[in-house]
Formats: sequence, structure tokens, C-alpha cells
Amino acid sequence: GENVEQHPSTLSVQEGDSAVIKCTYSDSASNYFPWYKQELGKRPQLIIDIRSNVGEKKDQRIAVTLNKTAKHFSLHITETQPEDSAVYFCATYGNKLVFGAGTILRVKS
Amino acid sequence: GAGVSQSPRYKVAKRGQDVALRCDPISGHVSLFWYQQALGQGPEFLTYFQNEAQLDKSGLPSDRFFAERPEGSVSTLKIQRTQQEDSAVYLCASSPLRGLDTEAFFGQGTRLTVV
Repeated sequence: GENVEQHPSTLSVQEGDSAVIKCTYSDSASNYFPWYKQELGKRPQLIIDIRSNVGEKKDQRIAVTLNKTAKHFSLHITETQPEDSAVYFCATYGNKLVFGAGTILRVKS
Repeated sequence: GAGVSQSPRYKVAKRGQDVALRCDPISGHVSLFWYQQALGQGPEFLTYFQNEAQLDKSGLPSDRFFAERPEGSVSTLKIQRTQQEDSAVYLCASSPLRGLDTEAFFGQGTRLTVV
């Protein structure tokens, strides 16, 4: 079945530094790759997504890259701020949306 | 309302009790999904509706779990004879289109604690 592995499980960075979270997946039929941010006690919210016909997408300080051949995709956050602290989930869609286990990002000021 | 609404926000159930969790999706959204999120884990797929039709229930962990969406709007997730391992946050999400290859909007979840 579908499997999504996410690394690292926790990530601490200094304010202003960059953060990178990586995911690998197993379902070669996956064609949609969203990233969700979940703050403590709140709902997951989509922050960026990418489709299989695109290799990179950027939205202000957030970017996602996709390598379909290697079946991995990454989230890049530049110029991190304390409000970026949250849990980040990658996900893939083949015939259902499957989530990674999450990365706890802490931005230290 | 403006977003996906779930009720109750918190539910404490005694082991063996039946519970019903409600989801009000965004008005007009075709697709509705239920996920189970254990502490420190990512959401795990439970089931998917397109309008009133339950198209995928492969993630339901046992026959104690049942979901319905009779009029293609509000959905209820029912858990019979709850057990401690059912303790988790149950998330509902809706999407305006068919399938999940588009943004899914999540509710705030129902935190179920079975004691």
C-alpha cells in the first residue's frame, strides 16, 4: 500500500535560518503532493502543494521541490520566523491522501 | 459557516460506550473525508464520501466504526463499544471537487478519550 516517510521528526533552527523537511513515497501513481501546517490544538492547514507535472513551486518564503523519478519531495522554508513553529505534514495523493508522520519545527529567537 | 465544523470538540467515553461524532463540511463541498490522528502521528485515512456515496471505507479499523452522510452534507462517524485504542483526534475534511487531488479543508477535530 501507499507509504510516506518524513524526515526529520524534529527540527530546531535559529530565527532567520532555513529549514528543510524531506519526504519519500512508495506509490508511483501519486500525482499530488500537499504540505500541511498544524499548530498545537488546531486544524491542519494547507501551506503549499505541487502536482506531478511540476518540479518546483515557490510561494514567498516557502518552496516545494519534487523528484518523481526518485519519489521524493521537500519543503523549504527560508528566513524562518518564530510563528513558523508548528508540526508540518507532507502528504501524497494516488487514490487517497496519505500523510507522513510529521516534523516538529521549532524556530528559536 | 466559513469552515468545516466538528462537534463535540472533546468527548470522554467509558470503555464499551457508543459515540457519535459530527462533521459539518463547507457548504457545497462534494467530497468529505474522515481521518484519525493519534498523538504525535500524522492523520490516518478512515473513509471518503462523494456526496452521499461512501466510495472508500478501507481505512476503518474495525466493524465497530461506521460513517454516514445520508443527504450529502453533514456526516456522522459512529464508534460502537469504544476501546482505549480508539482514543485519538478524529478529523473531518471537505473538498469542493471529487477526489483528494485538490485542497482539503480540515475541521478542528474531535478529541476522543476512552477511559
